[in-house]
Amino acid sequence: TQLLEQSPQFLSIQEGENLTVYCNSSSVFSSLQWYRQEPGEGPVLLVTVVTGGEVKKLKRLTFQFGDARKDSSLHITAAQPGDTGLYLCAGDDYNNNDMRFGAGTRLTVKP
Amino acid sequence: DTAVSQTPKYLVTQMGNDKSIKCEQNLGHDTMYWYKQDSKKFLKIMFSYNNKELIINETVPNRFSPKSPDKAHLNLHINSLELGDSAVYFCASSQDPSSYNSPLHFGNGTRLTVT
Repeated sequence: TQLLEQSPQFLSIQEGENLTVYCNSSSVFSSLQWYRQEPGEGPVLLVTVVTGGEVKKLKRLTFQFGDARKDSSLHITAAQPGDTGLYLCAGDDYNNNDMRFGAGTRLTVKP
Repeated sequence: DTAVSQTPKYLVTQMGNDKSIKCEQNLGHDTMYWYKQDSKKFLKIMFSYNNKELIINETVPNRFSPKSPDKAHLNLHINSLELGDSAVYFCASSQDPSSYNSPLHFGNGTRLTVT
């Protein structure tokens, strides 16, 4: 079983639509990170959330950390084709200080 | 200006062979990692290593061994390759894994295909 469950696994939308993807766990994390990965490249960090209930905005992207620090969401407003990619959430592992990744949400934004 | 670089980008080899993947980071980070990304895009940590400690994910077969000649390099050596080893392997580094503000910096991956 995966430590972090991401949903949906796949999402295909039209340009201009809004969307939300989720990252859920039964474990508590001291911090959670969101990455975006494009084909042929490694994941690139988008944001780190640390405080329960925290909301961070990055242009059209809004990230929220759940109050209990077990889950997070990523909301994209007015999606653009350039947002296409694999969105990965990762939480730190208290035992080893290693980041554990979810399986990702593959987003496709059609023009 | 590449921060974390891996070579080769593609590696095709036959079962039973031994191969190595090289990784170098020029960020001055203290900790380096190897991750395996399977066909379903699930990133799974294999090793984390700094100049003091090697942490091995217990599910990683002992055919996989990291080699670190110095702080800026962490190579991955694989013995007796198997079909199931086919995947994309990512090297990553971070300054301080215990810090919230220490993100992972990934290389662009090495796609390993075992035939």
